[in-house]
Amino acid sequence: AQTVTQSQPEMSVQEAETVTLSCTYDTSESNYYLFWYKQPPSRQMILVIRQEAYKQQNATENRFSVNFQKAAKSFSLKISDSQLGDTAMYFCAFSRGYGGATNKLIFGTGTLLAVQP
Amino acid sequence: GAVVSQHPSWVICKSGTSVKIECRSLDFQATTMFWYRQFPKQSLMLMATSNEGSKATYEQGVEKDKFLINHASLTLSTLTVTSAHPEDSSFYICSATVKTQYFGPGTRLLVL
Repeated sequence: AQTVTQSQPEMSVQEAETVTLSCTYDTSESNYYLFWYKQPPSRQMILVIRQEAYKQQNATENRFSVNFQKAAKSFSLKISDSQLGDTAMYFCAFSRGYGGATNKLIFGTGTLLAVQP
Repeated sequence: GAVVSQHPSWVICKSGTSVKIECRSLDFQATTMFWYRQFPKQSLMLMATSNEGSKATYEQGVEKDKFLINHASLTLSTLTVTSAHPEDSSFYICSATVKTQYFGPGTRLLVL
């Protein structure tokens, strides 16, 4: 069975600084997808970034980037130039398969990030 | 693109009544939708996978007779909480898939 572990329940960062959120996972699958979702106080789940396991290049989306270490089964999220709007709960998630669409997501327990002014 | 809506956004009902929650993909067709439940300050718990035109697949421990799921079209899935009780009070979230799961805004259910 697949598991996703987020070992940092809460983190805090000053505005404009950089912060890294950790995520590790366990799977015997060779084809899978990894995701970071954010859930702000509105509770709307928002996709932050997506990584295909077969791709060695780390995914980036503007100020958000990942450090994907497949052998170590590690998938950390780096947020650069933190903004107040980044304050949210961040969930790491795993999905089996090629498409990542019809396969269910397995979520970590989340990291609550607070960006301080 | 990839917008998912949920209706209602919040609902209060009396114990013993049934409540229906709708999940719609507004600008795409979704053969698969998912229903989650989330307790305060906790992660999302998958309740069931809903496939258009077929029976939903429920996760272990989820009562299929209490949480009825219907996926009648490629843009609509519904979750009906039957004979709701206070312990069913929660935040329910749906997602629809097009390469990636996109989530609805959630429905807050309070059963009195």
